[in-house]
Amino acid sequence: QQQVKQSPQSLIVQKGGISIINCAYENTAFDYFPWYQQFPGKGPALLIAIRPDVSEKKEGRFTISFNKSAKQFSLHIMDSQPGDSATYFCAANAGGTSYGKLTFGQGTILTVHP
Amino acid sequence: EAGVAQSPRYKIIEKRQSVAFWCNPISGHATLYWYQQILGQGPKLLIQFQNNGVVDDSQLPKDRFSAERLKGVDSTLKIQPAKLEDSAVYLCASRPPPGTPSYEQYFGPGTRLTVT
Repeated sequence: QQQVKQSPQSLIVQKGGISIINCAYENTAFDYFPWYQQFPGKGPALLIAIRPDVSEKKEGRFTISFNKSAKQFSLHIMDSQPGDSATYFCAANAGGTSYGKLTFGQGTILTVHP
Repeated sequence: EAGVAQSPRYKIIEKRQSVAFWCNPISGHATLYWYQQILGQGPKLLIQFQNNGVVDDSQLPKDRFSAERLKGVDSTLKIQPAKLEDSAVYLCASRPPPGTPSYEQYFGPGTRLTVT
């Protein structure tokens, strides 16, 4: 019930291409769905997040698409750049505005070739 | 603004030994988290503090893991005795006070533990 399933495990994209990472969840009590980006040797950093009553959110080249009925959401990286090469984690937040508790997906290693 | 500080960055110990990790959150952040990140997996929450009180420790293996947050600032996570399966990166994160998005957590660089 608390799982967040993420795919693919790894992704190779050419510079300028679109990277798409998918996640699925089961627990309808989750109230936010953030994406985190992690570079080697660093901790994860918040990239973008969406509420379940919104179908799409865009920030620069990063877009989250959210399908509440299917319990799925995805991250789209437009015009992918070599500097985007990192591990991406989807997550689901529980606990309302007081006590955030994140459940992370397994991660996707993105490699963008120049 | 200084980020979340963790030390040591790397630690190698033998099984059955003990180890401790230290975390200093961002100033003013009342909520502190410890995560375990096994290679190839996403971070898994071990324990969550609000000030110096424990909010959630349901996934902390309490027979060997312990954590404390004295005075509501710094925190330490201890493993005693360590097992081979404890090899992982231990991440500390902190969150701004309530009123800010609860999913917005700031992570430290982590401590990479290798148990041999």
